[in-house]
Amino acid sequence: DAGVIQSPRHEVTEMGQEVTLRCKPISGHDYLFWYRQTMMRGLELLIYFNNNVPIDDSGMPEDRFSAKMPNASFSTLKIQPSEPRDSAVYFCASSSSAPREQYFGPGTRLTVT
Amino acid sequence: QKEVEQNSGPLSVPEGAIASLNCTYSDRGSQSFFWYRQYSGKSPELIMSIYSNGDKEDGRFTAQLNKASQYVSLLIRDSQPSDSATYLCAVGPSSASKIIFGSGTRLSIRP
Repeated sequence: DAGVIQSPRHEVTEMGQEVTLRCKPISGHDYLFWYRQTMMRGLELLIYFNNNVPIDDSGMPEDRFSAKMPNASFSTLKIQPSEPRDSAVYFCASSSSAPREQYFGPGTRLTVT
Repeated sequence: QKEVEQNSGPLSVPEGAIASLNCTYSDRGSQSFFWYRQYSGKSPELIMSIYSNGDKEDGRFTAQLNKASQYVSLLIRDSQPSDSATYLCAVGPSSASKIIFGSGTRLSIRP
C-alpha cells in the first residue's frame, strides 16, 4: 500500500508569494495532521482533521496559514503571503484512529528567500 | 514544564552495546506512547508503540512504560551504526486526539 504522499518535495519561493503544499493520506485513515519542523523549534503540530473536519488549529502560527481537506484523499496547507521565517520542512501524517500511530509523509522542504 | 521531555544528547554508544533512551511526560492520564526514528533529512518513522505498563519487545528494540513514574524508555540491543539517528518520543494525552512529540535525542553509534 502507498504511504502518505506529499508534493512538492522541495519548494523555493520568494517572500510574498503564495505557497501551496499538498498531501494524500493513507487510504482508510480518517485523521490527518500537518506538522512543521525546524532546528530551533523541533516538530510542531499545526492543525489536524478528523473525517475532513478541522479539529484543532491552535498550532497555526498566524492568519497567513490556512489548511483545507475537501475530501478524504486530499489536503492542502497554504501560506499567503510567505515570509523567510516560514522556511522549514512541512510534514503531513495520517492515522486510522487517535491518539494512535501516525504515519508520516516524506515532507516538503520549503525555502522562502 | 514541557509536556514531553527528552535529553537532546548526543548520546554516544559503542557498536554492539545497549543504547538506552529516556522520556518523561507530564499528563498522568496519557494512554498511548510512541517512539519514532528520524534519520537526517528524512521523515519520522514509527518504530514502537506501547499502551500498557511493562516491556514490549520487537527485535532489537524494547519499549518500557512506567505510568506511575510517567516514564517511557527505548532500549536498543546490539547497537549498529545504522541506528545512528534522532529518536523522538511521542505521547497521546488523555484529552485530545493528537500526540505530543518531544524534542528528540540524537544517538550516535561509534564503531
